Amino acid sequence: DSGVTQTPKHLITATGQRVTLRCSPRSGDLSVYWYQQSLDQGLQFLIQYYNGEERAKGNILERFSAQQFPDLHSELNLSSLELGDSALYFCASSAEPTQASGANVLTFGAGSRLTVL
Amino acid sequence: AQSVTQPDIHITVSEGASLELRCNYSYGATPYLFWYVQSPGQGLQLLLKYFSGDTLVQGIKGFEAEFKRSQSSFNLRKPSVHWSDAAEYFCAVGLNDMRFGAGTRLTVKP
Repeated sequence: DSGVTQTPKHLITATGQRVTLRCSPRSGDLSVYWYQQSLDQGLQFLIQYYNGEERAKGNILERFSAQQFPDLHSELNLSSLELGDSALYFCASSAEPTQASGANVLTFGAGSRLTVL
Repeated sequence: AQSVTQPDIHITVSEGASLELRCNYSYGATPYLFWYVQSPGQGLQLLLKYFSGDTLVQGIKGFEAEFKRSQSSFNLRKPSVHWSDAAEYFCAVGLNDMRFGAGTRLTVKP
């Protein structure tokens, strides 16, 4: 157990629908990262939050949004789902987003597998 | 822009043989480099990291990696592979917006 909790583990939904993926970071970690892993795109960085604020943005579609709440858990919202959104979505957390002392190491959750039919 | 290339999509080695997985990076400044391993159905686990200092870094499970600035490489090595090492290996570079390579799938033959 990495200490990063993601729910749900599996989700099957239809095109056009909206889903929310949830992530609880490891205790003490202030940063949360979201990644999408698909067969054709590999591991793609979506977005990072630090203590409730957005810190870095990657290849996140406009149909997707995320937020980090005061208790530090994060949610990734995926709307108007398309077949191509089927993927494994990983959340990761780290203690410090910019410190180069070795503290900024990502700890990954087990992922949420989304299937869009 | 930072990027990572893992030239080998799939590698097969015999149990007990040595292993080297290649990683080349592109990064504007001093790179922060990582190797992660992903077993089927699992999340990614950190094997080792390089931030600065000694260019040969030791990781968990008997893995090591060597940073070579002149070659923009950070290859992962293990002297003797075990069947349990079969997994997908990802090289990554960056800090906040960490970028991952496409991964190398390792198969271990008995």
